[in-house]
Amino acid sequence: AQKITQTQPGMFVQEKEAVTLDCTYDTSDQSYGLFWYKQPSSGEMIFLIYQGSYDEQNATEGRYSLNFQKARKSANLVISASQLGDSAMYFCAMREASIGTSYGKLTFGQGTILTVHP
Amino acid sequence: GAVVSQHPSWVICKSGTSVKIECRSLDFQATTMFWYRQFPKQSLMLMATSNEGSKATYEQGVEKDKFLINHASLTLSTLTVTSAHPEDSSFYICSAGTGGGYQPQHFGDGTRLSIL
Repeated sequence: AQKITQTQPGMFVQEKEAVTLDCTYDTSDQSYGLFWYKQPSSGEMIFLIYQGSYDEQNATEGRYSLNFQKARKSANLVISASQLGDSAMYFCAMREASIGTSYGKLTFGQGTILTVHP
Repeated sequence: GAVVSQHPSWVICKSGTSVKIECRSLDFQATTMFWYRQFPKQSLMLMATSNEGSKATYEQGVEKDKFLINHASLTLSTLTVTSAHPEDSSFYICSAGTGGGYQPQHFGDGTRLSIL
């Protein structure tokens, strides 16, 4: 079974500084996908970034980058130049491989609440 | 980008009422839809997975007769909370995925359900 662990219930960062949100995972699959989602207080889930298990390069999307260390089974999210609007809950998730046309389900970590201070 | 519409966004109703929540993929065909439940400041808990035209697969501990899921088309899935009670009050959120590969799931905006 897959497992995602986020060990930081809460993180604080000063505006304009960078912050790293930790995520470790456990799986016996060779092929898998790792995702980060942002959930503001309004509740919607916003997709941020994706990393495939066979991707050699770390994924980047604007101010978001994923520090993927496969041997350590970690997929930390780095947010550069934090903004007040980055305050939200962040979830790391892993997707199982698809079976036929069925879309593999996501396993979520516990989440990290990020607070950006002015 | 892909859009998933969830309706209603907020429901308040009396105990014993059945409540239906709709999840629609607006600009793509969703072969699989997922329903999650979330308590405040906690993670998303997968309730069930539904594939179009098939019976939903429920996660362990989720009552099939309490949470009825229908996925009648490639663009619509519904969750019906039958005979709702205060303990069913929660945030329910759906997501949709399509095809293979590792495309991200697309989430609806969620439904806040309050049972009085």
